[in-house]
Amino acid sequence: DIQMTQSPSSVSASVGDRVTITCQASQGISSWLAWYQQKPGKAPKLLIYAASRLQSGVPPRFSGSGSGTHFTLTISSLQPEDVATYYCLQASTLHLFTFGPGTTVDI
Amino acid sequence: EVQMVESGGGLVQPGGSLRLLCAASGFTFGDYWMTWVRQAPGKGLEWVANIKYDGRETFYVDSVKGRFTISRDNAKNSLYLQMDSLRAEDTAVYFCARLEAYMDVWGEGTTVTVSS
Repeated sequence: DIQMTQSPSSVSASVGDRVTITCQASQGISSWLAWYQQKPGKAPKLLIYAASRLQSGVPPRFSGSGSGTHFTLTISSLQPEDVATYYCLQASTLHLFTFGPGTTVDI
Repeated sequence: EVQMVESGGGLVQPGGSLRLLCAASGFTFGDYWMTWVRQAPGKGLEWVANIKYDGRETFYVDSVKGRFTISRDNAKNSLYLQMDSLRAEDTAVYFCARLEAYMDVWGEGTTVTVSS
């Protein structure tokens, strides 16, 4: 099974800061990676799919990069509404998905 | 508007059963794979099961194989999760989501609590 790790587990930053979250897969997954944002008590929201494609309606301050085993999610200028937990998801194994453990972003 | 609404959660004793329902609207339900994802209290997300658009293929995480059954009724735009032999560790919020290679639209979830 493919395992996913994320770092850091939590980050505290100021409004306007650049924030980078890393996700690593235990084996190569090409670009089969998505990023989700989850606010407390709410359902996850798709931000990035196929490692770097921005989901419709998501602000362009969010971006994704990477392929193979190493991926990053970047928030170019942190806003108060970005306080949330962020999860990566690998979708390369046919219908055997794995989420990363999550990264909490605070201000 | 694309929407999914889950129901059927509640309190059940260990060893008991529960059937979750996800009512979909705003899209052609029968064209999409669908999935269930759960989140234990204070924990991360865990994928549970997928079902093909015609219901002919299903996939499960190892921890629920043989106990949970995902199914669908395309005529009723409905997705189901039959959960048997429930354990304390199945306690979680259960989300249904549309699968377009990735989970792109999610419901708000229904809470399942397994406790005596």
